[in-house]
Amino acid sequence: EAEVAQSPRYKITEKSQAVAFWCDPISGHATLYWYRQILGQGPELLVQFQDESVVDDSQLPKDRFSAERLKGVDSTLKIQPAELGDSAMYLCASSSSEKLFFGSGTQLSVL
Amino acid sequence: GQQVMQIPQYQHVQEGEDFTTYCNSSTTLSNIQWYKQRPGGHPVFLIQLVKSGEVKKQKRLTFQFGEAKKNSSLHITATQTTDVGTYFCAADTGRRALTFGSGTRLQVQP
Repeated sequence: EAEVAQSPRYKITEKSQAVAFWCDPISGHATLYWYRQILGQGPELLVQFQDESVVDDSQLPKDRFSAERLKGVDSTLKIQPAELGDSAMYLCASSSSEKLFFGSGTQLSVL
Repeated sequence: GQQVMQIPQYQHVQEGEDFTTYCNSSTTLSNIQWYKQRPGGHPVFLIQLVKSGEVKKQKRLTFQFGEAKKNSSLHITATQTTDVGTYFCAADTGRRALTFGSGTRLQVQP
C-alpha cells in the first residue's frame, strides 16, 4: 500500500538553528498538508497545498516558518530560527479526496 | 474560529468493557471523520460520516453523526487490547482543512 514518506524521523537541534523536514506524498495526491502535533493534543494545520499552490497558511508562523512544494509533488517545511516551543511532531498528510493519509512524522526536539 | 471539543480526555477500561468518546463542534459541519493513533504512531483514517443522523458500524465500532451535524460519537463494544490508542474526530466545514479534536486516549487493561 502506498505511503506518505517523511524524513528525518527524528531531529534534535539547538534553539536559533535552522531545521528542515521533507515529505513525499502518495503518488497522484494533489493536496498536501503539514500539521503540527504537540504531545497530548490533536494535529493542528500549519499549511495546505493544492498542487504547488498554497491554499491555507493562516496558521503558519511566517516569521520563522516557510513551506514549499515547487513541482507540486514533494514538499519541504523549514523553521529558522528554531525556538524551544517548536518541539513537537511534524506530520505530513496527503489526500486525493477528503480522507487524509499521514506520514510517520518528524519528531523535533529543540534544546 | 472553529472549535472541536472531545471528551473524555482519557479513559481506562478493563478488557471487555465498552468505551465511548464524544465530539462537539461549535459550527455545523459538512462531514466528520474519525482517526486512530496508536502509541508512537501516526493518525490513521477510520471512517467519514456525511449525513445528518448517520450511523455506521465497523465490527465492534459504532459511529454516529448528530442530527444537527455538530456532534458525533464513537462507541466501542467489548474493548480489546488492540483498541489501545488515541481516537480523534476531525471536523470538516467544507471551507478549510480538517480541524482535529484534542483526542481521547484509551487504555485497556487485560
